[in-house]
Amino acid sequence: QKEVEQNSGPLSVPEGAIASLNCTYSDRGSQSFFWYRQYSGKSPELIMSIYSNGDKEDGRFTAQLNKASQYVSLLIRDSQPSDSATYLCAVTGGSYIPTFGRGTSLIVHP
Amino acid sequence: EPEVTQTPSHQVTQMGQEVILRCVPISNHLYFYWYRQILGQKVEFLVSFYNNEISEKSEIFDDQFSVERPDGSNFTLKIRSTKLEDSAMYFCASSEGQGVVEQYFGPGTRLTVT
Repeated sequence: QKEVEQNSGPLSVPEGAIASLNCTYSDRGSQSFFWYRQYSGKSPELIMSIYSNGDKEDGRFTAQLNKASQYVSLLIRDSQPSDSATYLCAVTGGSYIPTFGRGTSLIVHP
Repeated sequence: EPEVTQTPSHQVTQMGQEVILRCVPISNHLYFYWYRQILGQKVEFLVSFYNNEISEKSEIFDDQFSVERPDGSNFTLKIRSTKLEDSAMYFCASSEGQGVVEQYFGPGTRLTVT
């Protein structure tokens, strides 16, 4: 069974700091990797996708993928209180159906 | 910006009743999905739908569940005889098409079965 593991947190960082969120996955054949942000009581919002090894930057967000280590991470630079949410890692294999992790709760305190 | 919409936002029903959850996917998207999230749990895949038929379904999607695209815009999830354990947030999502895997989620329907 495909597993996607995340530390549930909470991860607490001060405003302006870099938040680092990590995710590991079990299926070595995984092909597509996503980070979603989910505010309490709301739906997942896609913030990053990454498909090949290395880094992908989009504004304050950087996704990092290491397929050999089966590891994907999300860095949030200059963290803001509005970034406080649960961050879901999702991974797809041969089908387009993602397996979600439980999510990491991020708290950015002023 | 186009978005997925869902109705109702909250549905309360009694055990054994049928419910229909409705979704309007993004207009140029071809793949549609239903997920559920029990409070405090992971987002779980239920079913995917393409070209007017189910393309994949999970073990959760048993005979009590069905999906339909009754017209060119709506996509529905029906639960025939609800159980207490069906209480969850149900999310509809859509994606553009084959090879484009980014999925965009609707706001969800909170289903409460009493």
